[in-house]
Amino acid sequence: NAGVTQTPKFQVLKTGQSMTLQCAQDMNHEYMSWYRQDPGMGLRLIHYSVGAGITDQGEVPNGYNVSRSTTEDFPLRLLSAAPSQTSVYFCASSWTGVNPTEQYFGPGTRLTVT
Amino acid sequence: DAKTTQPNSMESNEEEPVHLPCNHSTISGTDYIHWYRQLPSQGPEYVIHGLTSNVNNRMASLAIAEDRKSSTLILHRATLRDAAVYYCILRKISNFGNEKLTFGTGTRLTIIP
Repeated sequence: NAGVTQTPKFQVLKTGQSMTLQCAQDMNHEYMSWYRQDPGMGLRLIHYSVGAGITDQGEVPNGYNVSRSTTEDFPLRLLSAAPSQTSVYFCASSWTGVNPTEQYFGPGTRLTVT
Repeated sequence: DAKTTQPNSMESNEEEPVHLPCNHSTISGTDYIHWYRQLPSQGPEYVIHGLTSNVNNRMASLAIAEDRKSSTLILHRATLRDAAVYYCILRKISNFGNEKLTFGTGTRLTIIP
């Protein structure tokens, strides 16, 4: 299994540009999520999904859109990039259920907005 | 939501045991205690979790106080590869769909050769 994969690894955008960060997992996990990590801080939840066709907002959703058309893929769209969105973005996936299970994280996408 | 408190940083010598503390004085009966770690320039990885009893796995041990208001992650023999930020996170037993992780700033563990 490849686990959780993210592309691209690095990206530089100009203010106002849009782009999509890709996330895929091959473990048939229902739950997928996106986090951002700013320097010296912990991860903050942007959006999450509990299955295909179901998404919801996390702690910091403004400026980002998501959709979940398949179990495997959960892309994150930046609508109009701003310097405040400069961060490292991590995608994660896991099984769902009553007892919390291990979450698997991707290697991250480092985004710089100038 | 119940919060956790961890020291900002700790140092340990290579090949010695490391005890990483976490306080969670407002923990509820439905909160699991999870530990993740983040190696430099990588995504977080799961280490261990427990509810009431002490837990062991191939990576570490988790000691949970009897009143559950604190816990300790134990690395039995630290290696340079264990240098990372360690996060103590509470997660609720819940119905379908509540898998969110709330990260604090964690403890930065430095291993001295």
